[in-house]
Amino acid sequence: ETGVTQTPRHLVMGMTNKKSLKCEQHLGHNAMYWYKQSAKKPLELMFVYSLEERVENNSVPSRFSPECPNSSHLFLHLHTLQPEDSALYLCASKGRVAGRETQYFGPGTRLLVL
Amino acid sequence: DQQVKQNSPSLSVQEGRISILNCDYTNSMFDYFLWYKKYPAEGPTFLISISSIKDKNEDGRFTVFLNKSAKHLSLHIVPSQPGDSAVYFCAASAGSNDYKLSFGAGTTVTVRA
Repeated sequence: ETGVTQTPRHLVMGMTNKKSLKCEQHLGHNAMYWYKQSAKKPLELMFVYSLEERVENNSVPSRFSPECPNSSHLFLHLHTLQPEDSALYLCASKGRVAGRETQYFGPGTRLLVL
Repeated sequence: DQQVKQNSPSLSVQEGRISILNCDYTNSMFDYFLWYKKYPAEGPTFLISISSIKDKNEDGRFTVFLNKSAKHLSLHIVPSQPGDSAVYFCAASAGSNDYKLSFGAGTTVTVRA
């Protein structure tokens, strides 16, 4: 348990659906991240929010829309996704461990697009 | 362009023996390196890190070695235990406070009893 929670844990959606992924942390961290992990591939950074401002948008298609209403919550809004978007979506927040910055990950949302 | 590479997708080791995981990087600006461990149905958890001013960092059974000239780091787990069976990710950043981490694809470690 890292203190970062994600809901839902599993999601199946059609290509015409709209859904949202939610991430929550109450660790006092002020930077939050969305990553995509496809099978056998490195984690791909999608978005970074620092102090509720988006500081990174890693060439992500517009069918993924992030929202950070406050420093504790992060959303990823999904619409008209493609089957190749099926993956594990991980949220993380940044904090200090033993004096060094590191990222704390949530358990992820396993997404299947049909 | 993948800047952090873990060329061994899997590793099988007997309980009690040493596990050695390797990681190579291409970006010479990287100066902070981390290892994460991931169990199925969980997110990655921080395991150990090393700054480029060091060539070794040890934490219990886990030791990370850094060879800057070769742009190579390794994670040693000794002795390996069944609970160490997981996917291990290598990550790197340019600056210990930089917000952006580059990850490798992971190595799946299986510890046999």
